[in-house]
Amino acid sequence: DIQLTQSPPSLSASIGDTVTLSCRASQGISTFLAWFQQQPGKAPKSLIYAASSLHSGVPSKFSGSGSGTYFTLTIRRLQPDDFATYYCQQYDSFPITFGQGTRLEIK
Amino acid sequence: QVQMVESGGGVVQPGGSLRLSCVTSGFNFSAYGMHWVRQAPGKGLEWVSYMGRDGVNSYYADSVKGRFTISRDNSKKIVFLQMKSLEVDDTAVYYCAAGATYWGLGALVIVSS
Repeated sequence: DIQLTQSPPSLSASIGDTVTLSCRASQGISTFLAWFQQQPGKAPKSLIYAASSLHSGVPSKFSGSGSGTYFTLTIRRLQPDDFATYYCQQYDSFPITFGQGTRLEIK
Repeated sequence: QVQMVESGGGVVQPGGSLRLSCVTSGFNFSAYGMHWVRQAPGKGLEWVSYMGRDGVNSYYADSVKGRFTISRDNSKKIVFLQMKSLEVDDTAVYYCAAGATYWGLGALVIVSS
């Protein structure tokens, strides 16, 4: 199984900051990586697929990059509703796996 | 607009069964592979199962293989998850997802004696 390791596990930031979250795969997955945002008590929301493509309706303040084993999600100009938990997911091969999540908190 | 609504969750004793349904609308259901993903209380997301667009191929996490069965009805735009021999560790909110794009609201399954 492909393991995804997200770092940091948690991150404190201020309104207006720019943050970068990372996701490392245990083996190469090309660009078969997605990012999701989850607010407490809510369903996940799809942000990015194919490592860097934004889903329709997702603001351009979110950007993804990477290929192979290392990926990043950058969020610019943090707003209150950006503080959530972010998960990466690989869909290169079954079983599909998720990272353990990065919790983004307000400083 | 896109709607995905799970139903069929509830409280069941260990060893029992439940069948989850996910009724969808607002998108081309037959164009998407469908997933079930779960989240145990206070934990992260765990992929459970996937069925391809045509309903032929299916895949399962090792933790549910042999106990859960995914199926879909493209004419009714519904995906199902039949869960048997439920264990306490199956307690979670179960989400259906269309590809990596659309997500349902979730259905809570509690396995407890």
